[in-house]
Amino acid sequence: DAKTTQPPSMDCAEGRAANLPCNHSTISGNEYVYWYRQIHSQGPQYIIHGLKNNETNEMASLIITEDRKSSTLILPHATLRDTAVYYCIVRGGSNYKLTFGKGTLLTVNP
Amino acid sequence: GAVVSQHPSRVICKSGTSVKIECRSLDFQATTMFWYRQFPKQSLMLMATSNEGSKATYEQGVEKDKFLINHASLTLSTLTVTSAHPEDSSFYICSAETSGGVLMTETQYFGPGTRLLVL
Repeated sequence: DAKTTQPPSMDCAEGRAANLPCNHSTISGNEYVYWYRQIHSQGPQYIIHGLKNNETNEMASLIITEDRKSSTLILPHATLRDTAVYYCIVRGGSNYKLTFGKGTLLTVNP
Repeated sequence: GAVVSQHPSRVICKSGTSVKIECRSLDFQATTMFWYRQFPKQSLMLMATSNEGSKATYEQGVEKDKFLINHASLTLSTLTVTSAHPEDSSFYICSAETSGGVLMTETQYFGPGTRLLVL
């Protein structure tokens, strides 16, 4: 199973873009990159996922490098409510499970 | 996105008693539901995968006789913690998806979690 590497923590100013990196150098061709976030004491919230093309939805954008070995989740205008642990997860092929690592604690500061 | 609910949101019980947690998909039919456990300051750990109408598949190290899972309908799965002990105190979270993992574009949606405290 492909594993991911994320920085343990990041800070961002309110109103600015938050760019959260993720390395997944062992990803295989049929595996997707998923992003979830978990606000304290709540269940994880789905954000976005992609295979190789960049994706955008109402919450965020996902930029995947051409070699697919890394990706960046972009929150265009971070708010205080975006403070959470963000998980980058690779899933696909025979791996139907979501394996949560330690994620990145994003703190949005006023 | 799809909505998954859990009940109760928190429960306190005495050691030795059993506790049942319900997980419901409110606006979609869930072929597969997952149960996770999360201890303080740790990440989510998958406990088991349940498909509607069949027995659950448990992860290594999870006692199937202690954590009973029933997925009797496409919108409801239950987790029963039998003979609970203080070390079972944790945050239990369920998730649901529709394709059973066949479609990798399928998304797991999570419930809000149930906090269990065993005294």
